[in-house]
Amino acid sequence: DGGITQSPKYLFRKEGQNVTLSCEQNLNHDAMYWYRQDPGQGLRLIYYSQIVNDFQKGDIAEGYSVSREKKESFPLTVTSAQKNPTAFYLCASSNYRQNQETQYFGPGTRLLVL
Amino acid sequence: SQQGEEDPQALSIQEGENATMNCSYKTSINNLQWYRQNSGRGLVHLILIRSNEREKHSGRLRVTLDTSKKSSSLLITASRAADTASYFCATDHTGGFKTIFGAGTRLFVKA
Repeated sequence: DGGITQSPKYLFRKEGQNVTLSCEQNLNHDAMYWYRQDPGQGLRLIYYSQIVNDFQKGDIAEGYSVSREKKESFPLTVTSAQKNPTAFYLCASSNYRQNQETQYFGPGTRLLVL
Repeated sequence: SQQGEEDPQALSIQEGENATMNCSYKTSINNLQWYRQNSGRGLVHLILIRSNEREKHSGRLRVTLDTSKKSSSLLITASRAADTASYFCATDHTGGFKTIFGAGTRLFVKA
């Protein structure tokens, strides 16, 4: 099955702790994205990557970090500097090089602070 | 902000009725997309309309785009309880790479 997966489904963070959210895709897409969604709100872009070994800050990058060492993987680390991390995190990918702007989303990870 | 705005924020209708949602945006676009999100899930792409198109259909969905008014509408005909979800418009703007998502319309279809 082709698709995009995220793990874990739920994640708990303690004060001062860094946590990493996983995102994997087997769609052979060049571009990958991380969004944050707060209750009843739309999506806000955290980071995006157009190609391996390259990524750009989105609108709310502070307190987050990413890496793109492999085409299929784009993990997001929520650092202790992110003071309000409780949210629903969505990863997506797209094949923009083929003018296919449609984004394919994973099922999301809900992060809760203990 | 370039973020699109959906209207209404929430909509409640009876099964079988039509549902219309609107989206407005601020700057020139290459295309506009509509996505659906069931509660606690990821988004699913519904339809894409390019800036040179005025109307597009897909099954029970009809999307219109008016670039002069910088607005789009999504019509769901003969709604079903299973259509209950949040619907987001998303715009790809000229000269940019990022897709901008609106805050969404929450649709409730009562059986």
